[in-house]
Amino acid sequence: SQQGEEDPQALSIQEGENATMNCSYKTSINNLQWYRQNSGRGLVHLILIRSNEREKHSGRLRVTLDTSKKSSSLLITASRAADTASYFCATSRNQGGKLIFGQGTELSVKP
Amino acid sequence: GAVVSQHPSWVICKSGTSVKIECRSLDFQATTMFWYRQFPKQSLMLMATSNEGSKATYEQGVEKDKFLINHASLTLSTLTVTSAHPEDSSFYICSGTRGTGPMRETQYFGPGTRLLVL
Repeated sequence: SQQGEEDPQALSIQEGENATMNCSYKTSINNLQWYRQNSGRGLVHLILIRSNEREKHSGRLRVTLDTSKKSSSLLITASRAADTASYFCATSRNQGGKLIFGQGTELSVKP
Repeated sequence: GAVVSQHPSWVICKSGTSVKIECRSLDFQATTMFWYRQFPKQSLMLMATSNEGSKATYEQGVEKDKFLINHASLTLSTLTVTSAHPEDSSFYICSGTRGTGPMRETQYFGPGTRLLVL
């Protein structure tokens, strides 16, 4: 069953602004991952954060993880029109195990 | 690296026919492959997990006799939708993991196959 809930479901911002997406989950995890999906395409892995980590950066991406609240956030700074896509969080309970995806956030960045 | 392809990218078929979808890891050996389906504006739902040379493990509610999965080699997995019906119309996506230990945490996704059953 789906265990990840994301909010907002949709987010529309102007180019240059920051975008923040949140993800909550229900059970204990080994790691949490964020993926991006352009319309009608496959998913691209963005970043992985392990349960013993609290924050991680990759380029314009910043991910936080709060295991006590069972939540994570993805921040995209200085957004670009090319960042327009759906973003999904996914949790795994063990290494190499199956991923349970959240409902996703549809991000629209207007030029 | 870590490129996954799917074939076909889209298929239209008549109700009652069977459709085979191929998933290939092009530049790595996929120790495990996963099959998902995705309805419009929805998230990915895991259908099954397959390891090379062994039977796939299906998620609850997924009919294994309807969705046949074969993982014959470390670079190829196939999903066959048997006796397809309009409600099977969906976007089917595969993914693979490689290596051992932490390397297996990341899944590499194919571009998806859009199936329309008339």
